[in-house]
Amino acid sequence: DADVTQTPRNRITKTGKRIMLECSQTKGHDRMYWYRQDPGLGLRLIYYSFDVKDINKGEISDGYSVSRQAQAKFSLSLESAIPNQTALYFCATSDLGQNTDTQYFGPGTRLTVL
Amino acid sequence: GNSVTQMEGPVTLSEEAFLTINCTYTATGYPSLFWYVQYPGEGLQLLLKATKADDKGSNKGFEATYRKETTSFHLEKGSVQVSDSAVYFCALNARGGSNYKLTFGKGTLLTVNP
Repeated sequence: DADVTQTPRNRITKTGKRIMLECSQTKGHDRMYWYRQDPGLGLRLIYYSFDVKDINKGEISDGYSVSRQAQAKFSLSLESAIPNQTALYFCATSDLGQNTDTQYFGPGTRLTVL
Repeated sequence: GNSVTQMEGPVTLSEEAFLTINCTYTATGYPSLFWYVQYPGEGLQLLLKATKADDKGSNKGFEATYRKETTSFHLEKGSVQVSDSAVYFCALNARGGSNYKLTFGKGTLLTVNP
């Protein structure tokens, strides 16, 4: 089984709809992250969480919110989706120890907003 | 701020050709440097990393050396295979207070033809 899983893998929705993307991990890592990937732009950080009670905005948090329901679960919500949020979304995790600078990614969720 | 610049693709090679993907960075202090690979339809996987000057990261025949004097971390492989076709991302992680954050380059698409 994969260490970092994301659901759904693909989603098509309409402008104005609320969408939740879910991420679960079995790596036992404390830190979790949400990124979006756009062609030619690399990956950009949306939100990150160091533990259940510590959630922080990344570089492009506008229009997004997150919830850290447990150490293993980190959800990303789009309250009112818009077409320019069409992208590939990745969840990632990292440990607190010696390799804290290494992040492990899920398979991604492809979101299309019409 | 921190930034990563990598050569633009796409790069198309024949099997067994030599590969170089250039990566340079701008960062305060001494970041850790990474190459991540994204195979079609999958999430990012760590390919190799280096944490200090003159370190060489290596994996699956790929190598990259942390060159502080030229602020570079070029990816090389002596003989590519069709299975190496993927998008390659150079990234850095700053040390100290902001060591949660990975800064990515825009990615380089590599296609290897038989």
